[in-house]
Amino acid sequence: EPEVTQTPSHQVTQMGQEVILRCVPISNHLYFYWYRQILGQKVEFLVSFYNNEISEKSEIFDDQFSVERPDGSNFTLKIRSTKLEDSAMYFCASIVDRGLGELFFGEGSRLTVL
Amino acid sequence: KQEVTQIPAALSVPEGENLVLNCSFTDSAIYNLQWFRQDPGKGLTSLLLIQSSQREQTSGRLNASLDKSSGRSTLYIAASQPGDSATYLCAVPGGNTDKLIFGTGTRLQVFP
Repeated sequence: EPEVTQTPSHQVTQMGQEVILRCVPISNHLYFYWYRQILGQKVEFLVSFYNNEISEKSEIFDDQFSVERPDGSNFTLKIRSTKLEDSAMYFCASIVDRGLGELFFGEGSRLTVL
Repeated sequence: KQEVTQIPAALSVPEGENLVLNCSFTDSAIYNLQWFRQDPGKGLTSLLLIQSSQREQTSGRLNASLDKSSGRSTLYIAASQPGDSATYLCAVPGGNTDKLIFGTGTRLQVFP
C-alpha cells in the first residue's frame, strides 16, 4: 500500500541551527502538507503546498520556515534558525486532490532542539 | 473560527466492550470529517472519512456517524480489543480551506 515516508525519524539539534525535514508523498497525490504536534498538544497545521507553491500557511509558519519540492518526489520543510519551542513532532501529509479522499500522514520526524 | 472538542479525554475499558467516542465542532459548514488513530510516538493512521453528504461510514468494527447540523460525530468501536488501545483523533477542514483542525483526542486503553 502506498505510504508517505519521512526522514529523519528523530533529529537532535542545537538552538540556532538549520534543520531540513524530508518527506516523500504518495506518488499520485497533488496536495502536500506539514503539520506539527508539540508533546501533549493538538496536531496543528503549518502549511499546504500545491503546484509548486504555498497555497496556505498558518501563523506558526513564519519567516524561519520554508518548504520546497526540489524534485518530482521529495517535499522538504526547512527551519532556518531553530528555537527551543520548535521541538515537536513534524508530520508530512498528502492527498490526491483537495476535498477528495483521505489525508494520509507519514510517521513523523521528531525534532529536539537543545 | 473552527474548534474541535473530543469527549472523553481518556477511556479505560475491559476487552469486549462496545465504545462510543465523541467529537464536536463549532462550524457546521464542513465538507468532510476524518477520524484518525495515533499510537504513542507514531504518525496518524486514517480510519474513516465521512463526506458531508453521508451520515455514516463503516470499516470492520468501526462505525462513524456525522450530524452536521448539530456539529457532532461519533466513532463507535464494536467488541474492543487490546490492540485498539491508542489515541483517536477527529479532524475537520477549517473554514473554506483544506487544512484540518484537530481535536485533542480520546486516549483509549483496552485491557485484557
